[in-house]
Amino acid sequence: NAGVTQTPKFRILKIGQSMTLQCTQDMNHNYMYWYRQDPGMGLKLIYYSVGAGITDKGEVPNGYNVSRSTTEDFPLRLELAAPSQTSVYFCASSLLGTGGAPDEQYFGPGTRLTVT
Amino acid sequence: AQKVTQAQTEISVVEKEDVTLDCVYETRDTTYYLFWYKQPPSGELVFLIRRNSFDEQNEISGRYSWNFQKSTSSFNFTITASQVVDSAVYFCALSEGSGAGSYQLTFGKGTKLSVIP
Repeated sequence: NAGVTQTPKFRILKIGQSMTLQCTQDMNHNYMYWYRQDPGMGLKLIYYSVGAGITDKGEVPNGYNVSRSTTEDFPLRLELAAPSQTSVYFCASSLLGTGGAPDEQYFGPGTRLTVT
Repeated sequence: AQKVTQAQTEISVVEKEDVTLDCVYETRDTTYYLFWYKQPPSGELVFLIRRNSFDEQNEISGRYSWNFQKSTSSFNFTITASQVVDSAVYFCALSEGSGAGSYQLTFGKGTKLSVIP
């Protein structure tokens, strides 16, 4: 299993440009998440999905959109890039464990995005 | 609202010293889960442990041990006989554990541990 894969690893965007961060998992996990990590900070949740066709906002959703058409893929879309979106983006997935308990989240390697 | 506080921003120790990383959490849920993740300089996040709110037994895994105390809302992490390879940022995180929630992780800001040879 490849686990959680993310592309690209690095990207530089100009203000106002758009891009899609790709995330794929091959573990048949139902839950998927997008987090951002700013320097010196913990991760903050942008969006999450509990299954194909179901998505919801996290703590910091403004400026982003997501879709989940398949179990495997959970792309994150930035429509009008702003300097405040300079960050490292992590995708994660997990399975709802025994008795409804959350299993560990498996993280991708991250995408380092700079908006100038 | 859930909150995780890691008051120690950075810690430096000399190799072979023991070190404890503190984690204090806030939640209104009676069922919840606590996690520790390691982020080495390469940047990936590595799962270390998950603990549910009903299990207050301390856990030991090799040189790592965890002390969970509900009375003080703390879930501290101790590394015994630290090694240079332990140098990383360590995150404590909290997840709700019931209902049809997202099971999202609420992270602390992390503690950067530097082990000096």
